[in-house]
Amino acid sequence: AQKVTQAQTEISVVEKEDVTLDCVYETRDTTYYLFWYKQPPSGELVFLIRRNSFDEQNEISGRYSWNFQKSTSSFNFTITASQVVDSAVYFCALSMEAAGNKLTFGGGTRVLVKP
Amino acid sequence: NAGVTQTPKFQVLKTGQSMTLQCAQDMNHEYMSWYRQDPGMGLRLIHYSVGAGITDQGEVPNGYNVSRSTTEDFPLRLLSAAPSQTSVYFCASSYRGSGANVLTFGAGSRLTVL
Repeated sequence: AQKVTQAQTEISVVEKEDVTLDCVYETRDTTYYLFWYKQPPSGELVFLIRRNSFDEQNEISGRYSWNFQKSTSSFNFTITASQVVDSAVYFCALSMEAAGNKLTFGGGTRVLVKP
Repeated sequence: NAGVTQTPKFQVLKTGQSMTLQCAQDMNHEYMSWYRQDPGMGLRLIHYSVGAGITDQGEVPNGYNVSRSTTEDFPLRLLSAAPSQTSVYFCASSYRGSGANVLTFGAGSRLTVL
């Protein structure tokens, strides 16, 4: 069975601080995909990134960066120089090649950025 | 394009009542699914469909029914609502295929069962 753990339930930072969200996953499959979604206070789910299990390159998109390490089954997400608009709940999710598009989500991490 | 449209956005039910959450997508996606979101538990898959006429259970299917008569629509039925079904419900769709496809989510439906 697959599982995603986001151990941090809530993180509070002051604007311009960096914040790292941890995501640890469990799966027996060799081909799988990892995702991060953002849920702002308005409630919708916004796709941020997808990564497949064969691509361990780190990725940077503006102030967002992701660190994928298969050796530790982790897919961590860092927001650099946080802004108030980054306040949201962030979800890490996992899907397996064989399972189609079914996502297993972590419990989410609420990020509060204070001005 | 509207994407994934869910109705209603808010609903209050009494225990034992029935209702249907509607979900429609206009992207010609084969795959559609329903998730529920509860505090601290992330989103959990209720039911999914890989095409018209084909549905299957997810992680938490009890108390819910689905059908898929068209590619566009995937309604979720609560036959006899229970307080444990108080939650936020999300419908999502994508192209069929491998686990790589990105799901497009609806705006969510908040259901309260008294």
